[in-house]
Amino acid sequence: DAKTTQPDSMESTEGETVHLPCSHATISGNEYIYWYRQVPLQGPEYVTHGLQQNTTNSMAFLAIASDRKSSTLILPHVSLRDAAVYHCILRGYTEGADRLTFGKGTQLIIQP
Amino acid sequence: GALVYQYPRRTICKSGTSMRMECQAVGFQATSVAWYRQSPQKTFELIALSTVNSAIKYEQNFTQEKFPISHPNLSFSSMTVLNAYLEDRGLYLCGARDWGGGYEQYFGPGTRLTVL
Repeated sequence: DAKTTQPDSMESTEGETVHLPCSHATISGNEYIYWYRQVPLQGPEYVTHGLQQNTTNSMAFLAIASDRKSSTLILPHVSLRDAAVYHCILRGYTEGADRLTFGKGTQLIIQP
Repeated sequence: GALVYQYPRRTICKSGTSMRMECQAVGFQATSVAWYRQSPQKTFELIALSTVNSAIKYEQNFTQEKFPISHPNLSFSSMTVLNAYLEDRGLYLCGARDWGGGYEQYFGPGTRLTVL
């Protein structure tokens, strides 16, 4: 059963900031929100994760709603290399920590 | 850094034959290894979860008789697809995690299986 909902695709232009939404209305208290991305012919690549507070790293900013029922992955100043399928995944703290349930993700298309 | 290698990257086998794929963790200890299959339609299926010194847990619709897995140490795992048929085609991904190092699961590039 899919526990997250994402748009099938989004399109942007190089240099813009992209907001990728994810809905997880049934998230439980011990579940983290993880984001992976996948380019063709490669396995998924870790992007970021968070529990309740917004997080930031060199790749992206993760904004988590106060009720944790949704989150947004923010990619600043995207380039062509950011074109990928972005997966939003819920992950348990211990139980199920190694069972990542991937959906179809959001195909991010970047125009030059 | 943590890297996961998979070999071979691509393989073609005849229907009814078997093929073995390998997963190598470099730069961290692969306490657990999860094997996934990504179909040509891009959907993911978890095949099994292997933890060193523990029993391998297969997901529904996947069996040890069809997908035997070996996880002999903290850097290596292998899986064999026995009697491969058309429905077994796809990208087989290995995701490894170090239980003592955090929650990130690192993925290899996958082994793409084509069945003729």
